[in-house]
Amino acid sequence: DSGVTQTPKHLITATGQRVTLRCSPRSGDLSVYWYQQSLDQGLQFLIQYYNGEERAKGNILERFSAQQFPDLHSELNLSSLELGDSALYFCASGTGTGRPGELFFGEGSRLTVL
Amino acid sequence: KNQVEQSPQSLIILEGKNCTLQCNYTVSPFSNLRWYKQDTGRGPVSLTIMTFSENTKSNGRYTATLDADTKQSSLHITASQLSDSASYICVVSALGGYGGSQGNLIFGKGTKLSVKP
Repeated sequence: DSGVTQTPKHLITATGQRVTLRCSPRSGDLSVYWYQQSLDQGLQFLIQYYNGEERAKGNILERFSAQQFPDLHSELNLSSLELGDSALYFCASGTGTGRPGELFFGEGSRLTVL
Repeated sequence: KNQVEQSPQSLIILEGKNCTLQCNYTVSPFSNLRWYKQDTGRGPVSLTIMTFSENTKSNGRYTATLDADTKQSSLHITASQLSDSASYICVVSALGGYGGSQGNLIFGKGTKLSVKP
């Protein structure tokens, strides 16, 4: 158990809909990272937050947005969903300070868009 | 351009055999290198993390090596087990920017290992 909690584990929705994925980082970790992994593909970095502020942005679509709340949990919002958004979405947390340390990944949220 | 290349893309071995996975990087300036194991449909789990001064690090049957001069790393798996079937991901961190920033993490595409009985 990495200590990172993601909900929901599975989600099935239709094109055009909006969903929210939630991530609770490990206790004490200030940094949260979001990744997308399509079938048989590598991890694609979406966005990073550190202590409530956006820290780095990757290939995140404009239809996607995220935020980190004062209690450090984070939410990834996906809107106007398309079939190609079907993927595993992983959250990872880390200390976010000093040298890049170890990342701890959650078990992912599997999104299926029909 | 900072890049991480892993080889082979996929590998099939028989249970009990050893194997070695490769990771070449062009990341500079180098901070550290990590190997993760990702079971299908699960989150990646860290195996090892090595800094510039470390040449080798072991975690059970997994041994990672690092040659910072040639910018190469390998992950050696000894006496493979069926449970070793997974993707193995090499991640290299670059110095600079805010510590911990994802902007400094470069992911390889992974090697998919299948261990057959």
